[in-house]
Amino acid sequence: EAGVAQSPRYKIIEKRQSVAFWCNPISGHATLYWYQQILGQGPKLLIQFQNNGVVDDSQLPKDRFSAERLKGVDSTLKIQPAKLEDSAVYLCASSLVSQGETQYFGPGTRLLVL
Amino acid sequence: GENVEQHPSTLSVQEGDSAVIKCTYSDSASNYFPWYKQELGKRPQLIIDIRSNVGEKKDQRIAVTLNKTAKHFSLHITETQPEDSAVYFCAASKGNTPLVFGKGTRLSVIA
Repeated sequence: EAGVAQSPRYKIIEKRQSVAFWCNPISGHATLYWYQQILGQGPKLLIQFQNNGVVDDSQLPKDRFSAERLKGVDSTLKIQPAKLEDSAVYLCASSLVSQGETQYFGPGTRLLVL
Repeated sequence: GENVEQHPSTLSVQEGDSAVIKCTYSDSASNYFPWYKQELGKRPQLIIDIRSNVGEKKDQRIAVTLNKTAKHFSLHITETQPEDSAVYFCAASKGNTPLVFGKGTRLSVIA
């Protein structure tokens, strides 16, 4: 079975620019997560989708971050405008059902904001 | 909300020795505890997990123990090999919340 796909793998932008990341979960996985992993730390949840609905976006900085999963399959995460502190790896993960089930991670998008 | 503490932050062992990483969690309602291994520049990979109805689980050289009363769980790696060198993350979740990760342990296995 194919794993979680993410693109791009790397992105370098200047502060105040915008950027978008794409994720395609494992086929049939209803739940999709976006995590932010700052260097030297564990992943931190940004947003969780169940099909095309948002389950948890309490830690998403909504003034600059947005995410959507319109058809309940792939998802995009956008940052506008980017700040220096947004430099991190953005990981997408998916699972068959909601919490308590194995989450499979994509390769991540490494973002550098200059 | 849930808070997961992980210790130690770095661990060096000689090849063939055992390694133990410990995590504590704050929310007694948490019921799922996975461990992920992350090599440099790669995605986190699930290596073992345990649910709250089980006290111990083993998979070859890797084992996890859970003490619900004390709210802590541990990862045990026996007969360590150089390829075990990586960052290990513990995490916890309950029925209606996402995974909360510890800060990670950098394990170095010295040949």
